[in-house]
Amino acid sequence: GAVVSQHPSWVICKSGTSVKIECRSLDFQATTMFWYRQFPKQSLMLMATSNEGSKATYEQGVEKDKFLINHASLTLSTLTVTSAHPEDSSFYICSARSVGVGETQYFGPGTRLLVL
Amino acid sequence: AQSVTQPDIHITVSEGASLELRCNYSYGATPYLFWYVQSPGQGLQLLLKYFSGDTLVQGIKGFEAEFKRSQSSFNLRKPSVHWSDAAEYFCAVAPRLSFGAGTTVTVRA
Repeated sequence: GAVVSQHPSWVICKSGTSVKIECRSLDFQATTMFWYRQFPKQSLMLMATSNEGSKATYEQGVEKDKFLINHASLTLSTLTVTSAHPEDSSFYICSARSVGVGETQYFGPGTRLLVL
Repeated sequence: AQSVTQPDIHITVSEGASLELRCNYSYGATPYLFWYVQSPGQGLQLLLKYFSGDTLVQGIKGFEAEFKRSQSSFNLRKPSVHWSDAAEYFCAVAPRLSFGAGTTVTVRA
């Protein structure tokens, strides 16, 4: 149980294009989903928290107009990197938290983005 | 404010030897504590968690962790490591999940 998937697992795009990453909770309903960014050899950095049906809460320093987050249902959240630039290249990981399981977050396998 | 410190950046251990990874946290109330493992290029897998109750927590893959309030610690242990345990290990504290910097574990034959 508590499986989270991400799609795509990796993506290469040209500078200036937009990329959408999907995060799905496969066997539970996720009232809250989180998006993290991880640089090589570093820990995870929380980008934003999204609750189903409401606007995402962004961490300080994260551009909400650049990283668009939508949490349209209890099983799906999307992160869209708009007008991507090479510095946006990173490993993006989502996690989902369910009602009734305390504070446990279950993580997706991550999406590696390379912007050329 | 809550925070997590993992003092060891890199640990090398021989296969079959015991392993202990240190984690210290800072949080005003009773914390929710987690250990996650990340293999290269992968997401995070939950090893174990502590919410309340017994301070010695058993997890998957033969790992255990002990919550010590007096030391603000939540160290992860495994009696006998396997080559497949080579990975990055992250300690985290909730409710607002904050991660330590991680400890890289290398297993030598």
